[in-house]
Amino acid sequence: NAGVTQTPKFRVLKTGQSMTLLCAQDMNHEYMYWYRQDPGMGLRLIHYSVGEGTTAKGEVPDGYNVSRLKKQNFLLGLESAAPSQTSVYFCASREEFGTSRPQHFGDGTRLSIL
Amino acid sequence: AQTVTQSQPEMSVQEAETVTLSCTYDTSESDYYLFWYKQPPSRQMILVIRQEAYKQQNATENRFSVNFQKAAKSFSLKISDSQLGDAAMYFCAYRSAIGGKLIFGQGTTLQVKP
Repeated sequence: NAGVTQTPKFRVLKTGQSMTLLCAQDMNHEYMYWYRQDPGMGLRLIHYSVGEGTTAKGEVPDGYNVSRLKKQNFLLGLESAAPSQTSVYFCASREEFGTSRPQHFGDGTRLSIL
Repeated sequence: AQTVTQSQPEMSVQEAETVTLSCTYDTSESDYYLFWYKQPPSRQMILVIRQEAYKQQNATENRFSVNFQKAAKSFSLKISDSQLGDAAMYFCAYRSAIGGKLIFGQGTTLQVKP
């Protein structure tokens, strides 16, 4: 059981380049999330999805886009990368029902923008 | 909007002793869930313990327990018989019973001294 898998685990980009981070979960979870983690700031929510075909903005959505075309996948895109987007990105998922159940996290993607 | 505050950026404890990590939160909601996550250097996000706000009894998981004070909006984590493997960043998190957004505190780095 893989749980939540993030691809890639590490990437270096130049300013202005674009890329997509992939999150895949095999637990049939309805809710999926993208967070970024910066030193001293904890995890901040970028975008989230409450089901296939839906997306919503979190705390820090600017500069990012997301898509959830399939229930098991949640993609995070950077159209024109900026140095301020250098961070560690985490994907998470959870079931819809039984809301006391915790989120399951991927292992993170370290992204550096030069 | 809900906020979570961890006022201790760093803590240290001697192996086998007890340490308490503080967390306060701000919300106008009455039904919510609180979590403590552990993040070791491997970067994984590991659930330590969770508390439902409607439950008066404090949650306990082996050496980990919480002191949940709903009126004071306080949710501290006590680690008993500290072990070297407990060294990590600890995050307090809040989630409303309505909706799925998990709000994190800034984190506390725990050092365990042998």
